[in-house]
Amino acid sequence: AQSVTQPDIHITVSEGASLELRCNYSYGATPYLFWYVQSPGQGLQLLLKYFSGDTLVQGIKGFEAEFKRSQSSFNLRKPSVHWSDAAEYFCAVVGRGDMRFGAGTRLTVKP
Amino acid sequence: DADVTQTPRNRITKTGKRIMLECSQTKGHDRMYWYRQDPGLGLRLIYYSFDVKDINKGEISDGYSVSRQAQAKFSLSLESAIPNQTALYFCATSDAGRNGETQYFGPGTRLLVL
Repeated sequence: AQSVTQPDIHITVSEGASLELRCNYSYGATPYLFWYVQSPGQGLQLLLKYFSGDTLVQGIKGFEAEFKRSQSSFNLRKPSVHWSDAAEYFCAVVGRGDMRFGAGTRLTVKP
Repeated sequence: DADVTQTPRNRITKTGKRIMLECSQTKGHDRMYWYRQDPGLGLRLIYYSFDVKDINKGEISDGYSVSRQAQAKFSLSLESAIPNQTALYFCATSDAGRNGETQYFGPGTRLLVL
């Protein structure tokens, strides 16, 4: 079955600094990959997704992610973090019918 | 109005009690899912349904059952709740077809089993 690893449980960045959240997946074929964000007390909101084609995908709120097949990675990036980006971020992969999530990375933004 | 709603939003129950969590959607999607979220574990799939007559077990179905009453409704039951079922439960939906893998989530139900 497919699986996802998010190596960083918690990341702290200063407001205005750049951000990269790591995601590694395991799946034998070309996966469908997703990043979701969960604000405190809220459900999950889709940031972006990769199905095929251009390996650099743009999402909402200024986020982007790059699919690297050779590294089995789908890292999320943002050039300048805002205080409102503080949340938990989940990477997910869909293989044969069901979606598997990583354990999540909690982002703290310092003033 | 929200596209995916869950009731109740919060629930406290006792060990051994039967409890039902409900999910409704107005997105017109065929596929519905139930997940639980535990700190440090992310979301794990309990059950999923690709249409009213198609229900499948997910990663962690033991201790749970589901009912797909209509295209728009998908209920999760805990027949005899136990404390380790204390978690945040999410319902999600997706469409069939090319974008069928994109899931849309409800706001969650926080369940505490004493």
